[in-house]
Order: sequence, then structure tokens, then C-alpha cells
Amino acid sequence: LAKTTQPISMDSYEGQEVNITCSHNNIATNDYITWYQQFPSQGPRFIIQGYKTKVTNEVASLFIPADRKSSTLSLPRVSLSDTAVYYCLVGDISNQGGKLIFGQGTELSVKP
Amino acid sequence: ETGVTQSPTHLIKTRGQQVTLRCSSQSGHNTVSWYQQALGQGPQFIFQYYREEENGRGNFPPRFSGLQFPNYSSELNVNALELDDSALYLCASSLAEGRDEQFFGPGTRLTVL
Repeated sequence: LAKTTQPISMDSYEGQEVNITCSHNNIATNDYITWYQQFPSQGPRFIIQGYKTKVTNEVASLFIPADRKSSTLSLPRVSLSDTAVYYCLVGDISNQGGKLIFGQGTELSVKP
Repeated sequence: ETGVTQSPTHLIKTRGQQVTLRCSSQSGHNTVSWYQQALGQGPQFIFQYYREEENGRGNFPPRFSGLQFPNYSSELNVNALELDDSALYLCASSLAEGRDEQFFGPGTRLTVL
């Protein structure tokens, strides 16, 4: 199973774009890259998922280079409410008995 | 459409006791997973149930057991509680198909004294 490495914490200010990079050097061919967001005292919430190149939805963008050994979650113009822990997950859930494998995540703090 | 709900919100037990946590899956979802999240850590997979059968299990001892009912609600049972079992217990529901996202409930905060 691919191990992920991401920064433990990041600080930003309201209105800025935030990019959180995740390294996953031993990603397998069938693995997808998924990002979850977790607010204090709540369960994680799915943000975005991708396999390669770029994926964009109403919340974020996910950039994946051709070698797929890293990925970057981009949050445009963050607000105070984006303060949360962001988890990068890599795997083929259909081959993992439904198991999502979470690392320690990146604690994002957005300041006014 | 209702989301995933869990009960109780908080629970305090003493070492050696048994506890049952409950989860109601999101409407239309037939798969439920349970996770344990210690303070400052990411959630750790306990097990998954699909159509009332255990479908996958993480590295947790047998005193962690579960049930899934025909209406797809679920229970997590923990026997012989230990201090290290103190954590946030999360339930997540999903469709059985592999790459669907999992929808998490708010969790049950268990404290073992």
C-alpha cells in the first residue's frame, strides 16, 4: 500500500490560495488519489479524487503530475471556515476490503 | 436524504466494561465501515460490513466486533475496555462499488477511565 507524506501543518490568510502537496512515491498503477477534510469533532468529508492530470470541482482542484508520485490539493481563496485537517489518501479501495488508509494529515490554519 | 448518524455523542466507561456504539447509514448505502481516531491521529480502519457480513478487517483484536442489520444500521461492540480504547469512533457508509466516497458520521467520543 502506498505511503503518503504531507506537511504536518500550514498557515494561511483569508483570501489566499493554499496548495498542500502530498508525496506518494510508491503509488501503484490501480491507485487513486483522494483528499478528505476534517473539522474538529466531526467525521472526515470527501473533497476530491483523481487518477492523473487535473481534476476540479466546486471546492478544490487536484493536480497530479505525469509520474503520479505526488499530488497537490489547491484551495482557492480560503476563508476562516477552511481551517481543518486535510488528509491525502492513496489506494485502490476496491482491492483493500473497503479500507481507507489515513495518515496524520495537514492541519491548515487560516487567519484573518 | 438523511446523512450518517451515530449515537451516543459521548460516552464514559471504566476499564473492563463493554460498550456498544450505534450507526445509521446514509439512505441507499449498503456498506458501513468503522474507524477509530485517537487524538491528533488520522482515523484507523477497524472493519467493514457489506450486506450483514464482515467484508474486511484492520489490525484490531477480536474484542472489537460488529453487526450490520437488514436496514443497514450497524453496531460496534468493544469488550474488556482498555484505557487506550479512548478515542473518537467514526462510522462511514458507502455503496459497495470500490471507488465511491465514504460518508462519515460525526463520531462517538469514548472515554475509558
